[in-house]
Amino acid sequence: DAGITQSPRHKVTETGTPVTLRCHQTENHRYMYWYRQDPGHGLRLIHYSYGVKDTDKGEVSDGYSVSRSKTEDFLLTLESATSSQTSVYFCAIRDTEETQYFGPGTRLLVL
Amino acid sequence: QKEVEQDPGPLSVPEGAIVSLNCTYSNSAFQYFMWYRQYSRKGPELLMYTYSSGNKEDGRFTAQVDKSSKYISLFIRDSQPSDSATYLCAMSVRGTSGSRLTFGEGTQLTVNP
Repeated sequence: DAGITQSPRHKVTETGTPVTLRCHQTENHRYMYWYRQDPGHGLRLIHYSYGVKDTDKGEVSDGYSVSRSKTEDFLLTLESATSSQTSVYFCAIRDTEETQYFGPGTRLLVL
Repeated sequence: QKEVEQDPGPLSVPEGAIVSLNCTYSNSAFQYFMWYRQYSRKGPELLMYTYSSGNKEDGRFTAQVDKSSKYISLFIRDSQPSDSATYLCAMSVRGTSGSRLTFGEGTQLTVNP
């Protein structure tokens, strides 16, 4: 399972509150990714990291920020959650090949 | 127009049937092609990947890539109820920064006993 954990696994929050999701990996992979998955859209890339303190935007980055202060942790922050950010969030790592392995996901509901 | 098109289904087949899942794409720069399986309320699980045209086989699964037609397929032989899941195709341009994957929407498959 590529040693990826995500926390929390489920979260309910209110509009306007900040939310931070955590992705933790145990295998020292350089590349880490945050995706969201929504019906009709599939998986879409939010942000990714190619090393400690090195991050870049994906296709749906508005309203999200990320940080990576250690190789093993990649944090996704919703500065002020909106109902449109209700989704399932997946973290992934890239292996030595051009393949990615996913964590179990975090279900976020913004009321 | 989406870069990767995949019929979302749902697709329902009897146990033992051969299943064919397909994706088309528009970006001729895509070089890596992957299939993921996702069970309900779980993360996507990598099934197969290839970077060349032709067929790649792994047990009951065969991945096929036709770059000239920009078309990829996943075949499942002797389908089992445990194959019931959503299947996502994904592709990327090899070597670009971060290796961004572009996903299809996913096809929901049900194999009926």
